Amino acid sequence: GEDVEQSLFLSVREGDSSVINCTYTDSSSTYLYWYKQEPGAGLQLLTYIFSNMDMKQDQRLTVLLNKKDKHLSLRIADTQTGDSAIYFCAERDRRSSASKIIFGSGTRLSIRP
Amino acid sequence: DVKVTQSSRYLVKRTGEKVFLECVQDMDHENMFWYRQDPGLGLRLIYFSYDVKMKEKGDIPEGYSVSREKKERFSLILESASTNQTSMYLCATGSSGDTQYFGPGTRLTVL
Repeated sequence: GEDVEQSLFLSVREGDSSVINCTYTDSSSTYLYWYKQEPGAGLQLLTYIFSNMDMKQDQRLTVLLNKKDKHLSLRIADTQTGDSAIYFCAERDRRSSASKIIFGSGTRLSIRP
Repeated sequence: DVKVTQSSRYLVKRTGEKVFLECVQDMDHENMFWYRQDPGLGLRLIYFSYDVKMKEKGDIPEGYSVSREKKERFSLILESASTNQTSMYLCATGSSGDTQYFGPGTRLTVL
């Protein structure tokens, strides 16, 4: 079945780049997402990429998609304290027409001074 | 802007109580979802609804039921709350082919 995996924790120094990695199993996924969850809040869509793209850049965020290895990454340039959050990788459940999404377990990003 | 609201941010209930969690959206989305979030387990889908009065089980429906009498409102019901249902509950909404938009969550504690 479909599965999305990501590491649970990442710690980076303020000002450095953060790279959060994710692997997925459904090679026919059409949409892949990154969500951000700040403490005590719901999930917020951060960015997404279509499966026919290799890269998407949006200000400090860069998403890289390697379809061959089923690997997705999120790079945050110049990481700031406000980037502290849990980041969820997710893929569209292709079997469902009801916009079902399969989420990874989330990566908690902590920033050290 | 999509607005998804949940009836409570924090809730404390006793074992055996019936618990209602309510979610309301203002975007006329046909699909609505209930998840629970636990540390290290990510989000797990409890139930979802793709139309009024229509529902489908998610990955962990046991101990829960849902109700969707109006398009904008989706309720999660714990018939008899148990301590292992202590969790963060997240509601989401979306149109088919679109992403999901989340509410702020309800942190439920069952004593």
